[in-house]
Amino acid sequence: KNEVEQSPQNLTAQEGEFITINCSYSVGISALHWLQQHPGGGIVSLFMLSSGKKKHGRLIATINIQEKHSSLHITASHPRDSAVYICAVQINTDKLIFGTGTRLQVFP
Amino acid sequence: KAGVTQTPRYLIKTRGQQVTLSCSPISGHRSVSWYQQTPGQGLQFLFEYFSETQRNKGNFPGRFSGRQFSNSRSEMNVSTLELGDSALYLCASSSPDRAYGYTFGSGTRLTVV
Repeated sequence: KNEVEQSPQNLTAQEGEFITINCSYSVGISALHWLQQHPGGGIVSLFMLSSGKKKHGRLIATINIQEKHSSLHITASHPRDSAVYICAVQINTDKLIFGTGTRLQVFP
Repeated sequence: KAGVTQTPRYLIKTRGQQVTLSCSPISGHRSVSWYQQTPGQGLQFLFEYFSETQRNKGNFPGRFSGRQFSNSRSEMNVSTLELGDSALYLCASSSPDRAYGYTFGSGTRLTVV
């Protein structure tokens, strides 16, 4: 069993829809990260969470430490949100363990 | 503020050769970590350096090594290349308090033929 599980693996949506991506983990962590990767490989860090909830524009990330679960929400999705979203947990200072990613496609 | 710079962007090497990849972190960032991304295994942690010392190492063979210089720039080396080493190699840097998480470079795409 992977230490970091993401669901769903693939997601398609119509522009404007509300999107949720889930991440569960089984190890003790110091923080959880949500990353975005566009075709071509570049990775952008969206959020770093150790508790509660964070919001940036149309993106919201939450974490429940007791349940070892985090969610990434995208409100009013847009085709430019199409990317792979990766959950990563941080253990032992700067060691990250990654989920397998969720490929999101938003159609106009 | 300049981002994380990785060079080269693309590289083609032959089996058995060795390769050195470079990563220049954001100014002031002292931690540099390296990752390998392949279609089959996804993103995997290679190693992490802080102030010229390796703090963490992932589960990769000894052919994979790295180092960090006093200016925080880091290099990773892969010796005796195998076809399976073909991957996107990413580095990331973080500030000492990790207040803003990680900043990733654009990666080096290595192809071994």
